[in-house]
Amino acid sequence: QQQVKQSPQSLIVQKGGISIINCAYENTAFDYFPWYQQFPGKGPALLIAIRPDVSEKKEGRFTISFNKSAKQFSLHIMDSQPGDSATYFCAASPKETSGSRLTFGEGTQLTVNP
Amino acid sequence: DARVTQTPRHKVTEMGQEVTMRCQPILGHNTVFWYRQTMMQGLELLAYFRNRAPLDDSGMPKDRFSAEMPDATLATLKIQPSEPRDSAVYFCASATAGLSTNEKLFFGSGTQLSVL
Repeated sequence: QQQVKQSPQSLIVQKGGISIINCAYENTAFDYFPWYQQFPGKGPALLIAIRPDVSEKKEGRFTISFNKSAKQFSLHIMDSQPGDSATYFCAASPKETSGSRLTFGEGTQLTVNP
Repeated sequence: DARVTQTPRHKVTEMGQEVTMRCQPILGHNTVFWYRQTMMQGLELLAYFRNRAPLDDSGMPKDRFSAEMPDATLATLKIQPSEPRDSAVYFCASATAGLSTNEKLFFGSGTQLSVL
């Protein structure tokens, strides 16, 4: 059962533009929503994360917007750069006393053209 | 610079052969995950361990896959016998877990497995 749906599958933007990637989840027990960035030949790396007690979190050019009622969250990359070209994964995990296990979205391949 | 180390980086083998992938988690991390990445399925959780004990291996085909942590510095994922459909990139990730926390995962660079 796919519990986190991610779109689009691929995205091409021009340098300086805004990249937007969306995710939707089903499990209302999820309470932690990270985004991971993966470059070719490398493992995913944590980019930014949010909890449902806030609607937005910003770190530099990267912003997560969170809509709890719609069960959706999105990643916005402002002033996109060619170096941002990578695959982005959203993920979610429930609050568990023993720690988390992440469910990942399908991934979005972002290409930023110079 | 602490990092998760996976070996080998690449493995090409023939169907039916045994494959063993190794992972050295970051020192001090007590949680280790094995993920498989394919174009079709994305990132799938195969198994994970906490303090060397297996917590969940429901994502792993039990008849051919096995995962172990012989000690705190080594995790292994074994496939026997391997099949062409096992071709994928296998990632190990480690984290430190506390009560009611969502830990940051640190991924290795993966083992790219090709089964011919």
